[in-house]
Amino acid sequence: DVKVTQSSRYLVKRTGEKVFLECVQDMDHENMFWYRQDPGLGLRLIYFSYDVKMKEKGDIPEGYSVSREKKERFSLILESASTNQTSMYLCASSFPMGLALDSSTDTQYFGPGTRLTVL
Amino acid sequence: AQSVSQHNHHVILSEAASLELGCNYSYGGTVNLFWYVQYPGQHLQLLLKYFSGDPLVKGIKGFEAEFIKSKFSFNLRKPSVQWSDTAEYFCAVSPNSGYSTLTFGKGTMLLVSP
Repeated sequence: DVKVTQSSRYLVKRTGEKVFLECVQDMDHENMFWYRQDPGLGLRLIYFSYDVKMKEKGDIPEGYSVSREKKERFSLILESASTNQTSMYLCASSFPMGLALDSSTDTQYFGPGTRLTVL
Repeated sequence: AQSVSQHNHHVILSEAASLELGCNYSYGGTVNLFWYVQYPGQHLQLLLKYFSGDPLVKGIKGFEAEFIKSKFSFNLRKPSVQWSDTAEYFCAVSPNSGYSTLTFGKGTMLLVSP
């Protein structure tokens, strides 16, 4: 089974702190993604990475950055946390389209999420 | 850019009732379509997906969805819901090209009363 793990289930930080959210996957997936999930808004893509050291902005990248130094690990960084970044953060991973050996192409596998509260 | 619209934010059903959750998308090209489910306190997990071929796809736990290209729709159905189907359901679309990022709808919260 694909396993995507996130470093914390719950995190409480203060405004202005630098926050690191870590995600690790064990399926050798090239693609990794960070979303935030808010009630009534669904999931919104923050950043994604299609290879080590590569990153692309998603729909809401402002206030966030990412790091991918190793294939299995994708970090989301809040340089200076603000209260409007209180949210559930979900990490996901997938094979690139066309490279999976089975019908799992394009299917994203999600971690359990990190509920971040910024006070 | 693609977008996804889910028709209902909240649905309340009694056990054994039939379910249909609407999903429409907008995108000018070929797409892949997904339904994900999030049970209370659990990971988001794939319910079913459509890539090509038969537009009627079957997923886990008795769910199915039909892709109607002319209507840009991918509605989720189940003939008889159970209390354990209480969850939030998300429709998602990815273009069949490029990085194939997912765009999600806002979700439908389904509550099934016993």
